[in-house]
Amino acid sequence: SQKIEQNSEALNIQEGKTATLTCNYTNYSPAYLQWYRQDPGRGPVFLLLIRENEKEKRKERLKVTFDTTLKQSLFHITASQPADSATYLCALAVYGQNFVFGPGTRLSVLP
Amino acid sequence: ETGVTQTPRHLVMGMTNKKSLKCEQHLGHNAMYWYKQSAKKPLELMFVYSLEERVENNSVPSRFSPECPNSSHLFLHLHTLQPEDSALYLCASSQERLAGADTQYFGPGTRLTVL
Repeated sequence: SQKIEQNSEALNIQEGKTATLTCNYTNYSPAYLQWYRQDPGRGPVFLLLIRENEKEKRKERLKVTFDTTLKQSLFHITASQPADSATYLCALAVYGQNFVFGPGTRLSVLP
Repeated sequence: ETGVTQTPRHLVMGMTNKKSLKCEQHLGHNAMYWYKQSAKKPLELMFVYSLEERVENNSVPSRFSPECPNSSHLFLHLHTLQPEDSALYLCASSQERLAGADTQYFGPGTRLTVL
């Protein structure tokens, strides 16, 4: 069956460290993978998109990798700050189908 | 805040009430979506509209009834809901439907509580 998993429900890290979040999928062949940030009681906000033929994408302190062989995407936040605390969602886009979202990982950056 | 607005932000209703959720997008997009987000569960796609035509209904109970009068407005009409329908209801829009490189823009959501 098709499944999207994000490494853990919650992740705590110390301020200044690099946070690494994982998105694993099975029985999908996504053409694109997106990462969103969601704050409590708010809608998700788009952060980054990576295509199936791209290995890595960067935006400021954010970096996303996409390994279609491992069926995995890693999302990194370098020099993390307490303001980065939020839930992060990965979303897969398969050609001709709607987005499918993962369950999310709640990140807490401790001062 | 994004270019997608939702009202009301919070709603408490009894199981016999009828209410409506409203969504408006100011982005000129052609596709609009309703999602349900329950605690500790992934976003669940409920309905998809493309150019005001409903193109998908993901086995949603008939007590949820969507309406898209034009490409900028989307409603979700609610009647005889159950307590398990309590959740955050999110509206989203994108330039086109089924365009994987399209970003989805979400509204702030309506927190619904069914008593």
